Amino acid sequence: GQQVMQIPQYQHVQEGEDFTTYCNSSTTLSNIQWYKQRPGGHPVFLIQLVKSGEVKKQKRLTFQFGEAKKNSSLHITATQTTDVGTYFCAHASGGSYIPTFGRGTSLIVHP
Amino acid sequence: GAVVSQHPSRVICKSGTSVKIECRSLDFQATTMFWYRQFPKKSLMLMATSNEGSKATYEQGVEKDKFLINHASLTLSTLTVTSAHPEDSSFYICSATPGQAYNEQFFGPGTRLTVL
Repeated sequence: GQQVMQIPQYQHVQEGEDFTTYCNSSTTLSNIQWYKQRPGGHPVFLIQLVKSGEVKKQKRLTFQFGEAKKNSSLHITATQTTDVGTYFCAHASGGSYIPTFGRGTSLIVHP
Repeated sequence: GAVVSQHPSRVICKSGTSVKIECRSLDFQATTMFWYRQFPKKSLMLMATSNEGSKATYEQGVEKDKFLINHASLTLSTLTVTSAHPEDSSFYICSATPGQAYNEQFFGPGTRLTVL
C-alpha cells in the first residue's frame, strides 16, 4: 500500500501537557484508522474516520480527518501516564483491504 | 468486542527448529487474517494476508517457504517459522477482520520468538 508519514517519531511530555501526532499522505485516503499499542502489548483499535473534515472525540482524545483526506491527527488533551504508548495510523486505499500502518508515534509522559 | 487469541505468547527455540504460532478469532468468523512482524520500537511490518481456504498472499521480501501460513478455517490461521535462525527472533502479531470490506482489525496479543 501507499506510504503514510507519521510524525513525530517520539514525543516526551510532562503529565498534563497536550500531545498531537500527525499522519500525512501524498494521495487521497479512503479512510484512516488509529490504534494504540501499550509497551509490551498489542495494537488496539481506537477509531476510524471516513468523511472529509470529520472530527471525532473520545474523552480527552480528538481525531481529525483533513478536508482533502490526505492527513489526519490525533490530539490528547492533558496527558496522563496511562496515555503512554505508541499511536499508529493505518489505512487501506485503492479498493484494497490490506492495511498499511504508519511508523507510529511513541508518547512518553513524565509524571 | 471481538477477541483474537494467539498461542504461544512466548517461545524460545534452538536454531534449526520449526515453530508454529496459532491465531484464533474467538467470537467471530475471520475471512481474512494478517500476520505482522514487529521489531523493538518499530512499526508493524505486514508479512502476509491469510485467506480462508486459499493460499496466503505474501508481501515483497517475505519468504513463503520460510514462513508457512495455513488458514484452515474461518477461526484459525497458523504461521510456521521453518528452520528458525536467530535473525528470525521477533514479535509476531496476527490480526483478524470480520469481512472483506476494510473494517477495524482485531489484534492478537502477539508471540515473542527467541531463537538461540
